[in-house]
Amino acid sequence: GQNIDQPTEMTATEGAIVQINCTYQTSGFNGLFWYQQHAGEAPTFLSYNVLDGLEEKGRFSSFLSRSKGYSYLLLKELQMKDSASYLCAPSGGSYIPTFGRGTSLIVHP
Amino acid sequence: DTGVSQNPRHKITKRGQNVTFRCDPISEHNRLYWYRQTLGQGPEFLTYFQNEAQLEKSRLLSDRFSAERPKGSFSTLEIQRTEQGDSAMYLCASSLDVTIAFFGQGTRLTVV
Repeated sequence: GQNIDQPTEMTATEGAIVQINCTYQTSGFNGLFWYQQHAGEAPTFLSYNVLDGLEEKGRFSSFLSRSKGYSYLLLKELQMKDSASYLCAPSGGSYIPTFGRGTSLIVHP
Repeated sequence: DTGVSQNPRHKITKRGQNVTFRCDPISEHNRLYWYRQTLGQGPEFLTYFQNEAQLEKSRLLSDRFSAERPKGSFSTLEIQRTEQGDSAMYLCASSLDVTIAFFGQGTRLTVV
């Protein structure tokens, strides 16, 4: 089964840093995806973590702790265009991403 | 190849009618997924193909929904006897083996 929890909404200021947390309980866990989704558009891939630790990719970093069932997405130097929904998606035995409700991030000037 | 393509982009149908959507995955991607998304929610898994074989189907998927992927290339999702609750964005994604899933732009269905 799947149980994914992430905050519904977060706000932050342009240029700041924001951390979006995700906890999960996933049968046969084998990895975790983060996707970004702007309103009315398709989700776009941000990161995929299989092993514990932090993976950095430009302004975005993603962290995974398999033993704690915990991940976070870190966004640095926030820009207005980062206003979007951020979807945490652990994958289980069939390697199928299962999505949480998403965190709506609002970046203001 | 420009990515996952879905058609139509929008569909308005009357309750009780049948609708069919098409998804063309990225070339050589052997895995294809269908998801449904309603406002304020994340994508909800519907079904998944590996090549032409439908390997998994959500228990939430009613018998009115059927999907095919003949020859392991494009896929179709059909909804029979549509209901207002079927109104949603239907998303298709594809991946090569168990790597990153790339999404299409979706088909927005409105049942009136």
